[in-house]
Amino acid sequence: AQSVTQPDIHITVSEGASLELRCNYSYGATPYLFWYVQSPGQGLQLLLKYFSGDTLVQGIKGFEAEFKRSQSSFNLRKPSVHWSDAAEYFCAVGNNAGNMLTFGGGTRLMVKP
Amino acid sequence: SAVISQKPSRDICQRGTSLTIQCQVDSQVTMMFWYRQQPGQSLTLIATANQGSEATYESGFVIDKFPISRPNLTFSTLTVSNMSPEDSSIYLCSSSPGGSEAFFGQGTRLTVV
Repeated sequence: AQSVTQPDIHITVSEGASLELRCNYSYGATPYLFWYVQSPGQGLQLLLKYFSGDTLVQGIKGFEAEFKRSQSSFNLRKPSVHWSDAAEYFCAVGNNAGNMLTFGGGTRLMVKP
Repeated sequence: SAVISQKPSRDICQRGTSLTIQCQVDSQVTMMFWYRQQPGQSLTLIATANQGSEATYESGFVIDKFPISRPNLTFSTLTVSNMSPEDSSIYLCSSSPGGSEAFFGQGTRLTVV
């Protein structure tokens, strides 16, 4: 069975500082990996996805993520955090069709001024 | 891209009653998915709804509690039956029209009193 672990439940960073959110997955084949963001009262927005090819993927809002097969990880990074990035971030792994998703527990990001 | 519309956006219901949530996709899709997000938690897949067949439920979810309809390729409903306060959650509909990225509705925030 597939699973996703986000070890950090809460993270607080200062505005302008760099950010890395961790994600580890368990999946029997080549995974389809996603990062979503959920702002308070909002739906889920896709930040980026990895299916194959270049292991460093670029997403929206200045985010990027790196797929490391040897570590079963897909960590999300941003070089300089903005106050508007405060939200809940979910890592997810998909099935072959890339749509039925298993989500990690989420990481709540807080940004200090 | 896809637009997924859910109704209602929120509701407060009495225990013992049922609520039907509607989900409309702006294009024809084979599969639609229903997720539950309990307060402060991640998303958990309830069931997969295929047009023309019975929905497939994940472990811990049963048809009597969460009956699903899928009358055509753009529409689905999820009913939360005989509600209790433990059913208070956000319910989200999802689909993947292009087959490679899941889009989500804005969710239905249900409070059972």
